[in-house]
Amino acid sequence: QQQVKQSPQSLIVQKGGISIINCAYENTAFDYFPWYQQFPGKGPALLIAIRPDVSEKKEGRFTISFNKSAKQFSLHIMDSQPGDSATYFCAAAGGKDSSYKLIFGSGTRLLVRP
Amino acid sequence: NAGVTQTPKFQVLKTGQSMTLQCAQDMNHEYMSWYRQDPGMGLRLIHYSVGAGITDQGEVPNGYNVSRSTTEDFPLRLLSAAPSQTSVYFCASGRSGNTIYFGEGSWLTVV
Repeated sequence: QQQVKQSPQSLIVQKGGISIINCAYENTAFDYFPWYQQFPGKGPALLIAIRPDVSEKKEGRFTISFNKSAKQFSLHIMDSQPGDSATYFCAAAGGKDSSYKLIFGSGTRLLVRP
Repeated sequence: NAGVTQTPKFQVLKTGQSMTLQCAQDMNHEYMSWYRQDPGMGLRLIHYSVGAGITDQGEVPNGYNVSRSTTEDFPLRLLSAAPSQTSVYFCASGRSGNTIYFGEGSWLTVV
């Protein structure tokens, strides 16, 4: 049973556009929601993360929106650039000392066209 | 500071063979883990460790063994390789409540 569902599977956006990736979770014990970026041949790297005490977190062009009642969170990439082309994974974890026991979504392959 | 180092980068095994994927970190992190990445399935946790001498199972532990004799090293052993273990393996490390850092991956093919 997939605990973190991610959509869409792939996304094509024009340069300068907004990229939106959505995730939904089931386990209400989750309290840490990171997004990872992965380039081909590389390991995932933390992009931005949020905890449920806030509904939004912004870092540069990247924003996480969090809806606790709906058990959903999303990544928005503003002014998308070709260099943002990568695979993006949402993840979730919860409980004492378990921010490292990440449950990942299936990933979204983003292509930003110049 | 090398971060998380995985070896080998690429490996081809025959069914039934055993091998060890090595992982080392130089950041004095107490937490280390192994994930496997398969197309359309994201990353799935195989085993993890919260400190030297302490290991536990993740989502998909069957067919894999781990040990943590030092803070720096966390090898993953495939006991009898099967084609279903063809995957990309990532080692990760971190401190509780903080960022998890991933290695660059080990591509394993079992024929």
